[in-house]
Amino acid sequence: DTAVSQTPKYLVTQMGNDKSIKCEQNLGHDTMYWYKQDSKKFLKIMFSYNNKELIINETVPNRFSPKSPDKAHLNLHINSLELGDSAVYFCASSPSRARGGDTQYFGPGTRLTVL
Amino acid sequence: AQSVTQLDSQVPVFEEAPVELRCNYSSSVSVYLFWYVQYPNQGLQLLLKYLSGSTLVKGINGFEAEFNKSQTSFHLRKPSVHISDTAEYFCAALHSGAGSYQLTFGKGTKLSVIP
Repeated sequence: DTAVSQTPKYLVTQMGNDKSIKCEQNLGHDTMYWYKQDSKKFLKIMFSYNNKELIINETVPNRFSPKSPDKAHLNLHINSLELGDSAVYFCASSPSRARGGDTQYFGPGTRLTVL
Repeated sequence: AQSVTQLDSQVPVFEEAPVELRCNYSSSVSVYLFWYVQYPNQGLQLLLKYLSGSTLVKGINGFEAEFNKSQTSFHLRKPSVHISDTAEYFCAALHSGAGSYQLTFGKGTKLSVIP
């Protein structure tokens, strides 16, 4: 009964393809996030959703489109994959977007490799 | 803008020796501070957090951190490390913006425990 789960764990694909990464949390949290960790281990937020509503959208190419069918799920769809998209993508969730100090709980990550 | 600086990218230390991982943050407003640990090929796990109150915060696995407002620091310490502490450690600051709270990470410190 993993709190935040992601699928797949590994994803290897060719340039130009379209792929999706799924994330689910069973913590009853309202807010979910996507982070990108580059090859130097630097973590940067990409998106944040609160109760299915987009609240943070950092400077990310519009090839990346998050989709939240319900507040327990936040999927990440990537169109026309490029070499620079290779990274580890982490999903996270927190109880609320408006309460300072809420801990974010992270999923295990999806390692995306674009060939 | 919020920034988090981890001064050491790598810290090698012998088993059972003490360790300190340094973190400085920049903020002109109240900030909440976190330390996360990432074991090899795994997601991030919360070690401890500072919200308010006592400046010495104790976390899991024998780690503690001290919040120092005058020096804008939140250094992580452990009096005696084990081989199992070998991991990447991330300092993060939670700050408000755009109607929500956003987590900004430092670039990480790789702790290598030498037998």
